[in-house]
Amino acid sequence: QVHLVQSGAEVKKPGASVKVSCKASGYRFTSYYLHWVRQAPGQGLEWMGLINPSGGSTTYAQKFQDRVTMTRDTSTSTVYMELSSLRSDDTAIYYCARVYSYDSAAWDFWGQGTQVTVSS
Amino acid sequence: QSVLTQPPSVSAAPGQKVTISCSGSSSDIGSNYVYWYQHLPGTAPKLLIFDNNKRPSGIPDRFSASKTGTSATLAITGLQTGDEADYYCGTWTKTWESSLSTYVFGTGTKVTVL
Repeated sequence: QVHLVQSGAEVKKPGASVKVSCKASGYRFTSYYLHWVRQAPGQGLEWMGLINPSGGSTTYAQKFQDRVTMTRDTSTSTVYMELSSLRSDDTAIYYCARVYSYDSAAWDFWGQGTQVTVSS
Repeated sequence: QSVLTQPPSVSAAPGQKVTISCSGSSSDIGSNYVYWYQHLPGTAPKLLIFDNNKRPSGIPDRFSASKTGTSATLAITGLQTGDEADYYCGTWTKTWESSLSTYVFGTGTKVTVL
């Protein structure tokens, strides 16, 4: 059974960083790309980037290029998304999602979401 | 900042049909597959359509989609109360600044069942 289990809710102050994890199980970890998508309150879905767990290569949305880092730990089948220099408008639910092909967005399994709140 | 434009909302009575448009450009929809997602806030989005018009297993044929040029359309027939949700299109895009493709969602459309 495929599962993507994300870490728990975070509350951070402006300027801080947050690191959200997404632990995969039930499939071969290195065979699927992991993407990160977020939704801020009252806003639409926003794609942040992807990581290839096999080699660790990443592609980031231009908006987050300077602030996001996606990494993976193959020993624990976990990917991480770290966002730095947090602002209040980074308050959002962050999701990870998997897909088989690099150039596809047919995400078939998603994490449960992680609430990140940025507040002074 | 989305480059794919959707109507903010559409509505219809149960059993009726709604269509949602998604307008882009030659660098996104015009040269890439389109995907459609259903999203209830606070839950993970669900894939409805991939590769322009294909349904994953488990998605009823009440959901269909098409693409023409730089626009795409999602149709929901036999509307049910459970279809009330936000719907997003998405596709890959490439800007002149980067050789890598990135993904972009549409602005989202709220479907209301009257």
